[in-house]
Amino acid sequence: DAGVIQSPRHEVTEMGQEVTLRCKPISGHDYLFWYRQTMMRGLELLIYFNNNVPIDDSGMPEDRFSAKMPNASFSTLKIQPSEPRDSAVYFCASRPPTGEYGYTFGSGTRLTVV
Amino acid sequence: GENVEQHPSTLSVQEGDSAVIKCTYSDSASNYFPWYKQELGKGPQLIIDIRSNVGEKKDQRIAVTLNKTAKHFSLHITETQPEDSAVYFCAASNVGGTSYGKLTFGQGTILTVHP
Repeated sequence: DAGVIQSPRHEVTEMGQEVTLRCKPISGHDYLFWYRQTMMRGLELLIYFNNNVPIDDSGMPEDRFSAKMPNASFSTLKIQPSEPRDSAVYFCASRPPTGEYGYTFGSGTRLTVV
Repeated sequence: GENVEQHPSTLSVQEGDSAVIKCTYSDSASNYFPWYKQELGKGPQLIIDIRSNVGEKKDQRIAVTLNKTAKHFSLHITETQPEDSAVYFCAASNVGGTSYGKLTFGQGTILTVHP
C-alpha cells in the first residue's frame, strides 16, 4: 500500500487566494482526519470523517476553512480566502474501522501564505 | 474534552543512555494510548501503543507503561541511538466511545541523541 497520499507537498500562495489541499486515504480505512501543525499550537485536529460523513468539525478555525469527502478515496481541505496566519503544515491521516486504532499519517502539505 | 500534557518539551541524551518521556491525561474514559515519532519533513509515525487493560508493553528498545489510577503513561527508550533523534508525541483516545476514537495529542518532545 502506498500509504496516505497528500498533495501538494508544498504550497506558497498570496494572501486572499484560495488554497485546496488534497488527501487520498489508505484503501479500506473509513476514518479520515485533517490536522494542522504549528510550533505554537502543536497538532490540532480540524475535522474528521467516518464513512465520508463529517463527524466533528469543531476544530475548524473559521468559516474560511471547509472540508469535503466526496468518496472513500478522496478528501479536500479548502481555505478561502487564505491569510498569513494559516501558514502551517497540514496533515491528513486515516484509520481502519476496527482493530488497529492508531492513525497512519500522510507526509503533509507545508502551506505558506505571503 | 480530553487534555494531554507531555513532558519534557526537550530532552538531550548521550548515545547509549535511556530516555523517558511522560504524559498525563484528563479523561478517565480514555482507553488507548499511542506514541508517535516524527522525523524532520515527515508525518508522525506510530511506534508503539498500549490499551488500558495492559500495564506495560515492550518492543525491542522501546517500552510504554500505563498507570490508569494516576492517569499517566510513559515512553521509555533504552540504548538510544542518533537515529532516535526526532519529535515524539503521546496521544490518548476513548475507542468505542462517542468520540469515534479521536486522538488528542500532547505537545511533543524534541529528543536529541548525541553521538
